[in-house]
Amino acid sequence: DVQLTQVPSSLSASVGDSVTITCRASQNINNFLNWYQQKPGRAPRLLIYETVSRQYGFPSRFSGAGSGTEFTLTISAVQPDDYATYYCQQSSRPSLTFGGGTRLDVK
Amino acid sequence: QVQLQESGPRLVKPSETLSLTCAVSGNSISTYSWNWIRQTPGKGLEWIGHIQPNGASAFDPSLKGRVTLSADTSQNHFTLTLSSVTAADTATYYCAGPGYSFTYWGQGLQVTVSS
Repeated sequence: DVQLTQVPSSLSASVGDSVTITCRASQNINNFLNWYQQKPGRAPRLLIYETVSRQYGFPSRFSGAGSGTEFTLTISAVQPDDYATYYCQQSSRPSLTFGGGTRLDVK
Repeated sequence: QVQLQESGPRLVKPSETLSLTCAVSGNSISTYSWNWIRQTPGKGLEWIGHIQPNGASAFDPSLKGRVTLSADTSQNHFTLTLSSVTAADTATYYCAGPGYSFTYWGQGLQVTVSS
């Protein structure tokens, strides 16, 4: 099964900072990598699918990149609404897995 | 607009069987695969399994043997059954889909395993 390692597990940023979260897969998953944003008490929301495609409703400051085994999520200028936990998820079947999550909070 | 709604017991005794249902509106469950996911504070998000339109299903290996997925296309809902539950199965359970990247999620159902 594919294991996903997400780093860092937490980070602090000020409004306007650029941040990058990395997700590493234990084997090649091509571009089958998705990102989710979750706020406390809410279900996760799909943010990026298939590595680079931004889901409708999310602003362009969110971007995804990578291929194979290494992927990144970048927030180019953090806004107050971005403080949340972010998860990567691989959709290379048959089993699907999530990364451990990255909590983004206020510096 | 697609909506998912989980239902089932919020409290289950150890060694018993947990059964949850996900009602889907706005999309036919016979078109795509649909998933169960759970979340615990200590382990984050954990994919449980999915059921495909042809009725086939796949599960996380750690849960295989305890999990059964089924679907009722006439009611447009699908069901998770988890047997021999322990305290480690205490979690918020979500249904999500369609397919393998989860655009739509239920609101989640907090389930506690306790005597």
